[in-house]
Amino acid sequence: DTEVTQTPKHLVMGMTNKKSLKCEQHMGHRAMYWYKQKAKKPPELMFVYSYEKLSINESVPSRFSPECPNSSLLNLHLHALQPEDSALYLCASSQDFETTEAFFGQGTRLTVV
Amino acid sequence: AQKITQTQPGMFVQEKEAVTLDCTYDTSDQSYGLFWYKQPSSGEMIFLIYQGSYDEQNATEGRYSLNFQKARKSANLVISASQLGDSAMYFCAMRDLDMYSGGGADGLTFGKGTHLIIQP
Repeated sequence: DTEVTQTPKHLVMGMTNKKSLKCEQHMGHRAMYWYKQKAKKPPELMFVYSYEKLSINESVPSRFSPECPNSSLLNLHLHALQPEDSALYLCASSQDFETTEAFFGQGTRLTVV
Repeated sequence: AQKITQTQPGMFVQEKEAVTLDCTYDTSDQSYGLFWYKQPSSGEMIFLIYQGSYDEQNATEGRYSLNFQKARKSANLVISASQLGDSAMYFCAMRDLDMYSGGGADGLTFGKGTHLIIQP
């Protein structure tokens, strides 16, 4: 099983809403990532979790709050987002920092209204 | 800091022809990995091929091969016998593999991508 599963696939939320994105993998990978991708742009790294601990936060605004409850699950909690936060949010996982490929989920297309 | 440059925003290629997608990179790291990903309009990022900085042989995966020229800091993707299903965005990416650079996992740095369209 080389799947990274993200839910939901699409999300529309208001600026006062609180929502969460979920990412799950069962490959035993110990590194998990959140990327943000705007239309016609490359993905940009947001957060890295290594062995369930936050190891990299790329100066992401606090309205994005990551959480790694266990080694298989990664959440991204959203609160008080802005319309410019509308994007494709991609989750990825990899074995560890020496590994080769990172496997990506299909992404959550987020629209903030 | 790492930087990836993809100079071809878009390419049109006839079906069954070979395609070369350009990628150059800049890094001060000694140990790094280079990746190519395909992103169809559906949004998922599909891993294609990987080349480590210390690998002497060019990587190959089926119809994909990576033309790695370390001295020139280039890592071009070659797709042989292109198919209609190859139409997609293609991203070159790199990652620091130096386990002594700070420890822990490191994310990927992506180039701006090349939009490849295969024509029948």
